[in-house]
Amino acid sequence: EAGVAQSPRYKIIEKRQSVAFWCNPISGHATLYWYQQILGQGPKLLIQFQNNGVVDDSQLPKDRFSAERLKGVDSTLKIQPAKLEDSAVYLCASSWGLQEQYFGPGTRLTVT
Amino acid sequence: AQKVTQAQTEISVVEKEDVTLDCVYETRDTTYYLFWYKQPPSGELVFLIRRNSFDEQNEISGRYSWNFQKSTSSFNFTITASQVVDSAVYFCALSESYSGGGADGLTFGKGTHLIIQP
Repeated sequence: EAGVAQSPRYKIIEKRQSVAFWCNPISGHATLYWYQQILGQGPKLLIQFQNNGVVDDSQLPKDRFSAERLKGVDSTLKIQPAKLEDSAVYLCASSWGLQEQYFGPGTRLTVT
Repeated sequence: AQKVTQAQTEISVVEKEDVTLDCVYETRDTTYYLFWYKQPPSGELVFLIRRNSFDEQNEISGRYSWNFQKSTSSFNFTITASQVVDSAVYFCALSESYSGGGADGLTFGKGTHLIIQP
C-alpha cells in the first residue's frame, strides 16, 4: 500500500514570495491533516479536513495560509506572502476513522 | 485545552542499557487517544503505538513497552536493551475524538532526543 505522498521535498523562497505544497493521502483515508514542524519542536496542527470539508483550522494563520481539498482526495497548502518565521517542515498526514495518522515525508521550506 | 509534556529534552545512554521516555498529558475529555511516534534523522514520523483512554493495559512489542496510567496522566515508553538504531527523536501525542466520527488532530509534545552510543 502506498504511503502519504508530498511534493516538493524541498523549497527555498524569498520572503514575500508565494509557495504551494501538495499532498496525496493514503487511498481511502477520509481525514487529512497539515502540520507545521519548526526545528527542535513537535509538529503543530494547521488544518484538518474530513473528506473535502474543514474540521479544524483554528491554528491556521488565515491572513497568509490557505488550504483546500476540493475532491476529498489530494490537498494543497499555500503560503502567500511568506515570512521568515514560516521556515519549517510541512507535514501531511492521513487517517481512517479513529485510527492512527500516517505521515508523509514532509516539505522542508526555507524562507530567506 | 489539551497539552503534552515531555520533560526530557535529550537522553544519552550506552547501547544495551534500558531507557524510559516520560510523557505527561492534560485533557478534559474522558475519551482520548495517546500515541508515540519516532522521528529518525531522515525526518519521517513513524507510528509506534496508539492507546485508547479506556484501555489501561500495558503493552509490550519486542524491546518496546508502554506504561499507561490514568491516575497520573502518564504514558511512558521503555526501550529494553537499546540499540544504536533506536537513536531518534521520540514524540508523545494526544488526540480527542469529535462528533464527526473521526479523531482530532494530534497535540504533540516537544519530543525527546534519544542518543544511543555504541
